[in-house]
Amino acid sequence: GAGVSQTPSNKVTEKGKYVELRCDPISGHTALYWYRQSLGQGPEFLIYFQGTGAADDSGLPNDRFFAVRPEGSVSTLKIQRTERGDSAVYLCASSFKTGDYNEQFFGPGTRLTVL
Amino acid sequence: GESVGLHLPTLSVQEGDNSIINCAYSNSASDYFIWYKQESGKGPQFIIDIRSNMDKRQGQRVTVLLNKTVKHLSLQIAATQPGDSAVYFCAENAGTYKYIFGTGTRLKVLA
Repeated sequence: GAGVSQTPSNKVTEKGKYVELRCDPISGHTALYWYRQSLGQGPEFLIYFQGTGAADDSGLPNDRFFAVRPEGSVSTLKIQRTERGDSAVYLCASSFKTGDYNEQFFGPGTRLTVL
Repeated sequence: GESVGLHLPTLSVQEGDNSIINCAYSNSASDYFIWYKQESGKGPQFIIDIRSNMDKRQGQRVTVLLNKTVKHLSLQIAATQPGDSAVYFCAENAGTYKYIFGTGTRLKVLA
C-alpha cells in the first residue's frame, strides 16, 4: 500500500511569510508524528498526535509553530512569521497505534528554505 | 533531493566487506533502540530494533549489538553492497512514542 506522503516536497519562502506543510499518513495509522531535521543532524521530535488530538507538543520550538489533525488522518504543520533558522527538512511519520515499540514509518519530508 | 548530513562522520567500506557503525546513546533509562537508514532525499527507513533485555539481535545481513554498561549500540552489515550507501542513525526511546536520534554516520560503499 501507499506510504506516508508529504507535500510539497520543496518549499521556498521569504522571511516573515506563513507556510503550511501537509502530511498524509498511512491509511489506518492512528498515531502521527512531526520531526525536523537540520543539515547534518538526526530528526528532532516536534509533536505527536493520537487521533485528532496533540498528545505531546513539547518539541515545538515556539508559538510560531502549530499543527492540526482535524479528522484524525491528514495533518498540517503551520509556521507563522518564518525565520531563516526554520530552514530544515520537516519529516512526518505515522504508526499503527501508540504504545511500546511501534514502528514509525517516515515520509520523504518537505524541505523548507526560508530566504 | 537534499543530501542529509554533508558533514557527518563517514565510514568507507569496500563492497563485499563487513561494516560496523557505532552509536553512543544518552539515557540509561531507554529500553528500546532502533537503527534507521536514510538515503538522500528520503525519510528514515527502519532497519532493525532491539529491546534492552537483549544484547544482540540479527536480521537479514544486519546485526545490532547493545552494551548497556557503556551505553553503546552498533550495527553490523554483512557483505556490504552499493545499495547500503546511506546515512545511518541510531535512535533511543524517550517514553513509549518519542525517539531521540543520534547524529548519524554516512556509509560509503566502494566498488
